Amino acid sequence: EAGVAQSPRYKIIEKRQSVAFWCNPISGHATLYWYQQILGQGPKLLIQFQNNGVVDDSQLPKDRFSAERLKGVDSTLKIQPAKLEDSAVYLCASSLDPAGGTQYFGPGTRLLVL
Amino acid sequence: SQKIEQNSEALNIQEGKTATLTCNYTNYSPAYLQWYRQDPGRGPVFLLLIRENEKEKRKERLKVTFDTTLKQSLFHITASQPADSATYLCALAVGSSNTGKLIFGQGTTLQVKP
Repeated sequence: EAGVAQSPRYKIIEKRQSVAFWCNPISGHATLYWYQQILGQGPKLLIQFQNNGVVDDSQLPKDRFSAERLKGVDSTLKIQPAKLEDSAVYLCASSLDPAGGTQYFGPGTRLLVL
Repeated sequence: SQKIEQNSEALNIQEGKTATLTCNYTNYSPAYLQWYRQDPGRGPVFLLLIRENEKEKRKERLKVTFDTTLKQSLFHITASQPADSATYLCALAVGSSNTGKLIFGQGTTLQVKP
């Protein structure tokens, strides 16, 4: 089966610009997660969707970050405006069963903010 | 405060030996704990899940223990191989039982030398 797809793989922007990341989860997976992974740290959950509803966005900086999952399949994560500290890898993951289920991660988008 | 701590320094071992990685946590009551492997430039890959009522779980050369009294999980790789070299992340399932929200440790880098 195809894995979680993400694009772009790399992005370089200047601070105060905007950027968007796209994720296509594994077919049939109702739960989708966006994580931020800063170099040397573990992934930090930004937002979790169950179908097209938000389950948890408690750690999403809502003044600059937004995410949507229209039709309960693909998802986009946007940062506007970007700050230097947003430089990180943004990982998308999906799972079939959120309660104790394996999370399958995509390759991530590496963002560098200059 | 809530913390998850993994060995911050890289673990270097000789091929054939057993690698033991530690995950300690405070002020969490996880329903289960997962271990993931992450290679450079790639997303984490699920390895094992152990629930709070389980003491030990095995999968091929991998073994995980979970001590909820000590608030510690140990991850063992027996007969280690250079191909086992990677960063290993522990993740605690927190929040309500059906959300699957994971909090990740910072990871431990394992280097297996031939």
